[in-house]
Amino acid sequence: NAGVMQNPRHLVRRRGQEARLRCSPMKGHSHVYWYRQLPEEGLKFMVYLQKENIIDESGMPKERFSAEFPKEGPSILRIQQVVRGDSAAYFCASSPRSEDGYTFGSGTRLTVV
Amino acid sequence: QKEVEQNSGPLSVPEGAIASLNCTYSDRGSQSFFWYRQYSGKSPELIMFIYSNGDKEDGRFTAQLNKASQYVSLLIRDSQPSDSATYLCALAEYGNKLVFGSGTILRVKS
Repeated sequence: NAGVMQNPRHLVRRRGQEARLRCSPMKGHSHVYWYRQLPEEGLKFMVYLQKENIIDESGMPKERFSAEFPKEGPSILRIQQVVRGDSAAYFCASSPRSEDGYTFGSGTRLTVV
Repeated sequence: QKEVEQNSGPLSVPEGAIASLNCTYSDRGSQSFFWYRQYSGKSPELIMFIYSNGDKEDGRFTAQLNKASQYVSLLIRDSQPSDSATYLCALAEYGNKLVFGSGTILRVKS
């Protein structure tokens, strides 16, 4: 049973480019969460999605960031016009129910140069 | 805004000793608490969750919850060098959104 799969593991983007981060939840898990971890800081919630629905996006920056979890395929976190401050580790987590603990993916390390 | 506070450490303990990690939280209504372990450059790994006052044991790990005093702790018995990592305390908000503390660095010295 594969865990939460994130790709790419490392992503380098120049300022102004777009970054697309992918997350495939564990089989049978319909709840997906995205978190960001800035260097030397804790994990910060960004967005909670179920299939085709954004449930809570209270942690998402108002501009340039968007997320989706389509009926088919992985969840996507998109960052448009990246800036150096977007450099961080982005973790996806999934759970079978909203009250269960999470399983985190291995993360995507985004570096903006 | 719910907050979770942890001492950043590092907490240094000798091999074989008990490591005690503590966490306090601001919202008295919080119900669910989690401890994650994160090795450098890796993703967080769930160690334990606790919902009820008292102790919960799993192998060498014991989580303790005191809702009246608003603190959660994690005890690691017979600490090993492989336990050296950052330990993250988290509480669950509505919809299972987790609020994390900034983590405590644990160093177990052989």
